[in-house]
Amino acid sequence: QITLKESGPTLVKPTQTLTLTCTFSGFSLRTSGVGVGWIRQPPGKALEWLVLIYWDDDKRYSPSLKSRVTITKDTSKNQVVLTMTNMDPVDTATYYCAHTIYSSGFDSWGQGTLVTVSS
Amino acid sequence: QSALTQPASVSGSPGQSITISCTGTRSDVGAYNYVSWYQQYPGKAPKLMIYDVSNRPSGVSNRFSGSKSGNTASLTISGLQAEDEADYYCSSRTTTTALVFGGGTKLTVL
Repeated sequence: QITLKESGPTLVKPTQTLTLTCTFSGFSLRTSGVGVGWIRQPPGKALEWLVLIYWDDDKRYSPSLKSRVTITKDTSKNQVVLTMTNMDPVDTATYYCAHTIYSSGFDSWGQGTLVTVSS
Repeated sequence: QSALTQPASVSGSPGQSITISCTGTRSDVGAYNYVSWYQQYPGKAPKLMIYDVSNRPSGVSNRFSGSKSGNTASLTISGLQAEDEADYYCSSRTTTTALVFGGGTKLTVL
């Protein structure tokens, strides 16, 4: 059974850097084809894909956020870390991490974590 | 990369069939057979309903089906039930980055 869980601050100030950790179980990021992505959803709005990292350390970024986002993995800890710089109130959203195999959809999702950007 | 275009809302009566469209370009929906559909209830994480255009994950009802023609993908729900009332999102692999989501469709069961 695959599980994922996001953790990190619930409140950040404008201009600060956000760091979120996705801790997972039930799969390995050493397995060919496996990837973990981050997706966010502002309150009442649509899903927005942010970034994706694959088993071979291939990383794909949303063009609109590429300059602000970094993704890393620690296969020994079964964790993926999202870093987003220069946070703004418009970045207030529920942030999800999710499992995928190649490009065949995100088949398992974390519960999400609401991050509020406010001074 | 622009979001895929979905109708803001659709509705149907119990037992009916509805179709939700997802329109992209030849750089995303039209380029690959990597379209997925997600169901999301308020306050909950999305759930994968369809992947690779028309495949259902284990456990998803066969009332849900997917298809694609050109740059437009579609999700059809047959035998509509009250529990199908939710938001639905499509996504596609793209030639330029990796992924793009649609703007979401609110399904109301009348």
